[in-house]
Amino acid sequence: GIQVEQSPPDLILQEGANSTLRCNFSDSVNNLQWFHQNPWGQLINLFYIPSGTKQNGRLSATTVATERYSLLYISSSQTTDSGVYFCAVQGGPGTASKLTFGTGTRLQVTL
Amino acid sequence: DGGITQSPKYLFRKEGQNVTLSCEQNLNHDAMYWYRQDPGQGLRLIYYSQIVNDFQKGDIAEGYSVSREKKESFPLTVTSAQKNPTAFYLCASSMGNRIVQPQHFGDGTRLSIL
Repeated sequence: GIQVEQSPPDLILQEGANSTLRCNFSDSVNNLQWFHQNPWGQLINLFYIPSGTKQNGRLSATTVATERYSLLYISSSQTTDSGVYFCAVQGGPGTASKLTFGTGTRLQVTL
Repeated sequence: DGGITQSPKYLFRKEGQNVTLSCEQNLNHDAMYWYRQDPGQGLRLIYYSQIVNDFQKGDIAEGYSVSREKKESFPLTVTSAQKNPTAFYLCASSMGNRIVQPQHFGDGTRLSIL
């Protein structure tokens, strides 16, 4: 099946810093989503981005489908950004219903 | 408010006991999913259903069962055959059952063994 790798596994930032999280995947995808899991376990949709670039406030994401990677940018980080960021993908026909998750990037933003 | 409701938030199971986790959605979504998350890991698919009265096994279906009698409901039963049930369980739904649509998640149920 499709493989998803995220980097870095852990990241510690000072408040106000910028960061880039990376997601590599092993095959073509029909869906790519970025999620933020907060300390209470809630999984929050950040972006649905199988290709192209999207921005939402301090967050933006870019997926280059032909090169099989996606990037999540966090600018001017805040302590509320702490948590785990997951990338998840769905592959081609026959795998349309299955989201495959990476193991996540654990982000800690300090004062 | 439209959304996905999972209950209970915390659940304890005795050895040899079956327990059922509830998932209800009022988004009018066709497809529903159950995932399991272990500490420090990503989510893994247990079962999914693209339409009422139909469901398919995911990657880790052994020891679990589901039903889809109504569009808005997709309960998950953790049976006594599941030897390591302690985990965080997340339910999701998506609009399409033929075309790929983003999945939206409930707040999860934490299951522990007594």
